Amino acid sequence: DAGVTQSPTHLIKTRGQQVTLRCSPKSGHDTVSWYQQALGQGPQFIFQYYEEEERQRGNFPDRFSGHQFPNYSSELNVNALLLGDSALYLCASSLLTSGGGYGYTFGSGTRLTVV
Amino acid sequence: AQSVTQLDSQVPVFEEAPVELRCNYSSSVSVYLFWYVQYPNQGLQLLLKYLSGSTLVKGINGFEAEFNKSQTSFHLRKPSVHISDTAEYFCAVSDLWPSNFGNEKLTFGTGTRLTIIP
Repeated sequence: DAGVTQSPTHLIKTRGQQVTLRCSPKSGHDTVSWYQQALGQGPQFIFQYYEEEERQRGNFPDRFSGHQFPNYSSELNVNALLLGDSALYLCASSLLTSGGGYGYTFGSGTRLTVV
Repeated sequence: AQSVTQLDSQVPVFEEAPVELRCNYSSSVSVYLFWYVQYPNQGLQLLLKYLSGSTLVKGINGFEAEFNKSQTSFHLRKPSVHISDTAEYFCAVSDLWPSNFGNEKLTFGTGTRLTIIP
């Protein structure tokens, strides 16, 4: 059973450009959350999607947007990239009604470098 | 707002020695507590979780943690570490508000790098 799959694994972008990261959740999961992990820091919550809608959002600017598709996969879009957006972006899937008992399953992440 | 403090950024330990990684949290509501491990160039793997019930929680790879509500702590322990335990360890908390489903956002600490000395 495949876990959470993220693509691409690495990419390099130039300041001001736009980027799209992709995530396929673990089979049976219906909720996708995105986290940003800067070098040497813990992951920071960006937002969570359920039933194709943004359910919660962390303290990130509107340059960060997302989408969830009917098959539960998700995209994270970042516009007008800044050097400070360089980080590991983690996708986590879960089953909303599990009562938190199963926690999240994380992907291996996408390493974004902005130059 | 909830927060998590991991008091030690780096912990070096000799192989086969015991280890404790400290975690304190603050929250105005009931929480779920988690420990995750991150190996180099990988995502996060769940070690263990506290939801309710017994305050001593056992996880994978011989790790355990104890929830102490009065001290708002959730320290991670292992009686005998191995080289393979070298990794970054993150404590995380999840509020049970607003939906009480528990699948609310995770708030992470800044991590503790565990280094095993042969």
